[in-house]
Amino acid sequence: KNEVEQSPQNLTAQEGEFITINCSYSVGISALHWLQQHPGGGIVSLFMLSSGKKKHGRLIATINIQEKHSSLHITASHPRDSAVYICAVGRTDKLIFGTGTRLQVFP
Amino acid sequence: EAQVTQNPRYLITVTGKKLTVTCSQNMNHEYMSWYRQDPGLGLRQIYYSMNVEVTDKGDVPEGYKVSRKEKRNFPLILESPSPNQTSLYFCASSPGLFYEQYFGPGTRLTVT
Repeated sequence: KNEVEQSPQNLTAQEGEFITINCSYSVGISALHWLQQHPGGGIVSLFMLSSGKKKHGRLIATINIQEKHSSLHITASHPRDSAVYICAVGRTDKLIFGTGTRLQVFP
Repeated sequence: EAQVTQNPRYLITVTGKKLTVTCSQNMNHEYMSWYRQDPGLGLRQIYYSMNVEVTDKGDVPEGYKVSRKEKRNFPLILESPSPNQTSLYFCASSPGLFYEQYFGPGTRLTVT
């Protein structure tokens, strides 16, 4: 079993829909990161969480340390949100990654 | 402009021919790391460095070497590349794991 599990693996949505991507982990962590990778490969950091909730524009990330679970929400989704979203957890000095959620948003 | 640069961006080589992929950052970050990305496996950490002259193994270090002689540079060395090292490689830097991670553009390596 992977230490970091993401669900769903693939997600298709219509423009405007509310989207949720989940990340569960089985190890003690110091930080959790959400990353975005567009087709073409570049990786961008969206959030770093150690507790609570963060919001940036239409993106909201939450973490529940006791349940070892984090969610990434996208409100009013847009085709430009189409990308792979990756959850990564920081354990001691290392990062451990989930395998990603591929999101496609259609007009 | 704050950035992480990698060179080369694309490389095709043959088994056994030593190669180096360079990584440089201009943000004075202490933490630097190398990752490889493979279909179905996601990103996996190869090596990381907490500061100059301090490096440590990640989850898949076999077949790779690194050095951190200067704070800004963190080259990845493949002494004798093999086909199973064909992958997409990313370098990243940050002040530490509690901070935003900055990724380079990636290096696509093919070993024949």
